[in-house]
Amino acid sequence: AQSVTQLDSQVPVFEEAPVELRCNYSSSVSVYLFWYVQYPNQGLQLLLKYLSGSTLVKGINGFEAEFNKSQTSFHLRKPSVHISDTAEYFCAVSGGSNYKLTFGKGTLLTVNP
Amino acid sequence: DADVTQTPRNRITKTGKRIMLECSQTKGHDRMYWYRQDPGLGLRLIYYSFDVKDINKGEISDGYSVSRQAQAKFSLSLESAIPNQTALYFCATSESLAASYNEQFFGPGTRLTVL
Repeated sequence: AQSVTQLDSQVPVFEEAPVELRCNYSSSVSVYLFWYVQYPNQGLQLLLKYLSGSTLVKGINGFEAEFNKSQTSFHLRKPSVHISDTAEYFCAVSGGSNYKLTFGKGTLLTVNP
Repeated sequence: DADVTQTPRNRITKTGKRIMLECSQTKGHDRMYWYRQDPGLGLRLIYYSFDVKDINKGEISDGYSVSRQAQAKFSLSLESAIPNQTALYFCATSESLAASYNEQFFGPGTRLTVL
């Protein structure tokens, strides 16, 4: 079985500040990790993914995430956020031959001027 | 044009009514999924289909049924809608070749309200 915990349900920040959205996972097999973003009134869009190789992965819109196997984490970071980054962010894990993509409950990032 | 489309985008219905949500994709993917999203609960899998003849229940299938009419079409039905089925519903697709990664592509969602 696999599970995902997003440690913060809401993260308010000011524009141009750095942000980190935290994600921890558990799985009994090798994992593949994803961050999806959902802008208001829209579907989910892939932000970035870790499949193998370098543990630091870069995604769209200046976001990056680091896979840490020993801490079973995949935190999402951006050095300077914009108003337009306001959205809900979902961490998800898929592993081995398991078809299932398991989602965390989401973190609402609100960027204030 | 969007790769994964859902119709309708918004629907208000009454308790006890039958309703169908439709999903179409032009990505050529074999696998299709239906999720519901509730505030604070994330996305939960309702049903998934690996091909036209392979349909499986997800974690919250009670009260729902599905039909895979073709590779590109996957419909979700609520036989007798109830208020706690009020939610945002998403269709998603993925390639079978990437099964072990299972990167999924989502439609824009259908907002369903059951009164």
